[in-house]
Amino acid sequence: GESVGLHLPTLSVQEGDNSIINCAYSNSASDYFIWYKQESGKGPQFIIDIRSNMDKRQGQRVTVLLNKTVKHLSLQIAATQPGDSAVYFCAEIAYNFNKFYFGSGTKLNVKP
Amino acid sequence: KAGVTQTPRYLIKTRGQQVTLSCSPISGHRSVSWYQQTPGQGLQFLFEYFSETQRNKGNFPGRFSGRQFSNSRSEMNVSTLELGDSALYLCASSEGQRINTNGYTFGSGTRLTVV
Repeated sequence: GESVGLHLPTLSVQEGDNSIINCAYSNSASDYFIWYKQESGKGPQFIIDIRSNMDKRQGQRVTVLLNKTVKHLSLQIAATQPGDSAVYFCAEIAYNFNKFYFGSGTKLNVKP
Repeated sequence: KAGVTQTPRYLIKTRGQQVTLSCSPISGHRSVSWYQQTPGQGLQFLFEYFSETQRNKGNFPGRFSGRQFSNSRSEMNVSTLELGDSALYLCASSEGQRINTNGYTFGSGTRLTVV
């Protein structure tokens, strides 16, 4: 079946560096993608989203890039801070198929 | 505006027992979805309730059930607990059905441990 996955289960970065978290998806019919952040002891929180008719969207210190040719989604975090340490999930929605999938998550460790 | 509230936060049960978890959505939200989160399987969709009706269901055995009340609060029940049911159970609420994602917000979860 269709799936959403992540290339790296764990990513360690130095405070102040930029982080890139990747996600591969297999459903070419997906319309909408979301990145979530989950801190220890909390539920996932919405970070940023992007529609399939876009290839880039920027937020505050975060940028999401969508490459539909290779079915790849990435989350870039600028000037990573200790508070960014969390597990990051991508999610994929295909409206016509009523499908809403979550990836398995990447843990981001920010070293001081 | 209060967020999604899940109770209890932590629960320890014995194999064979049953458990009921509660979720109060954001005021005005009519959809509540439930997920099971484990380290090995990630976020697995259990079911979605919208206006007191189950709209979607994931691939879980019949021991997992749920319901939604007229005030949109939802409960999920797991009967005959197994060790493998130990997980973080998350609920999320939204104004419309979940794939519309308008304001899709998660609670902090209930950590269930089965011993």
